[in-house]
Parts: sequence; C-alpha cells; structure tokens
Amino acid sequence: EAQVTQNPRYLITVTGKKLTVTCSQNMNHEYMSWYRQDPGLGLRQIYYSMNVEVTDKGDVPEGYKVSRKEKRNFPLILESPSPNQTSLYFCASSFLSRDPLADEKLFFGSGTQLSVL
Amino acid sequence: QKEVEQDPGPLSVPEGAIVSLNCTYSNSAFQYFMWYRQYSRKGPELLMYTYSSGNKEDGRFTAQVDKSSKYISLFIRDSQPSDSATYLCAMSEVAAGNKLTFGGGTRVLVKP
Repeated sequence: EAQVTQNPRYLITVTGKKLTVTCSQNMNHEYMSWYRQDPGLGLRQIYYSMNVEVTDKGDVPEGYKVSRKEKRNFPLILESPSPNQTSLYFCASSFLSRDPLADEKLFFGSGTQLSVL
Repeated sequence: QKEVEQDPGPLSVPEGAIVSLNCTYSNSAFQYFMWYRQYSRKGPELLMYTYSSGNKEDGRFTAQVDKSSKYISLFIRDSQPSDSATYLCAMSEVAAGNKLTFGGGTRVLVKP
C-alpha cells in the first residue's frame, strides 16, 4: 500500500530536550516536505527536499533541522524544542512537477501531535 | 495579511444541501489551485486540482477559479454526513514546483 508513515503519532516532551520525528515513504517520490498545522493558520511549510542531499527552507524553518540521506526518509529534528513548537506536524511526499499540467498529488502522513511543556 | 484567506467556519448544513466553500488570495502569480479534505486526526487528501481559471467537475464536486477576482470556490452537491471534514484550499506558482500555500481551512458539518 502506498503511504507516508510518520512516527510517533503523539509526543509530549519538555523544553530543550532534543527530539526527532521520523517520516518514510514507499512510493519512490523525489519530493518530501514537512508542514506544521496550527488553528486558524492552516498548513505552513517548514522544510522541503527535492531529492537526496537536497533540502531547503520553507516558510517557518526556525528551530528545525532536516536531513535527506536516503530517498525514502526525511526526519524532522528539533534540537532544543520550545513551547511555541507545540503543533500538529505533517510529512508529505510527491513526484516532482516536471509537467506544469500534471496532477502531481501530494501524499500526507497521518500527523504527529507534539506538545512541548 | 495572509496570502490565502479562508473562512474557518464551522459551516453546518443539512444532508442533501449544497456546500459552498471559497478562498481569496493576494498573490497574482498563483496558477495551480487545489482543494484538500482533512478528516479529524488524519492528513489532508487531494480532492480537486485546477490549472489557471475555469471550472472542473468530478462527481458531486465542482471547483471554480476566477483569477481576475483572485477567488476560488468548491461546491459539494447532495452533501452526505461523510463529507463532514475540514476543507483546505491550496495554491502554487508556476515556478515553485511542489511548494503549496494553504488556506486556514473551513470546517464543514453535514447533519443527517
């Protein structure tokens, strides 16, 4: 089954304790991305990756790191989490849009609810 | 001011009614317009995809784009309780690849 798998689904931690949220896709997608979702603000992009070893900042990258050492995995790292990073996080992946008219569907994982106390 | 504005709702309708959702945007470079449906505790899933202006129909769903007014709409005909979800609009520029800008989402409740 084609899917994007995030772990963990729920995470409660304390300020300053480093954590990693894993993301894996089995569709051989080049593109992967992390979003955070907050009430009233919709989904905001944190980081994205166009391929292995190619990553770039999204709209809200402060306080986050990512790496793309393998095509299927795109972990999100919070080196020193703070309470303002309490949010619902989504990983997503798709093929790259080479054809402007192609419907390159973005597949989302089921989300990770993070609480930083 | 946000780049994409969407009324958060909730929008409550009786079963069988037409659901009308819309988004306004400020970036005239947006060319691709999408609607995602998100059930509680799930990731968003793509419902409709439209390039530039015009209408697109898929079953009970119709998406409309009016680039001159910077306004997009989604209509759901013969709404069902299973349509109860949050609906997110999303947009992207031609040159931005897969980078999407999302609206805040509208929560819809279809009552039996």
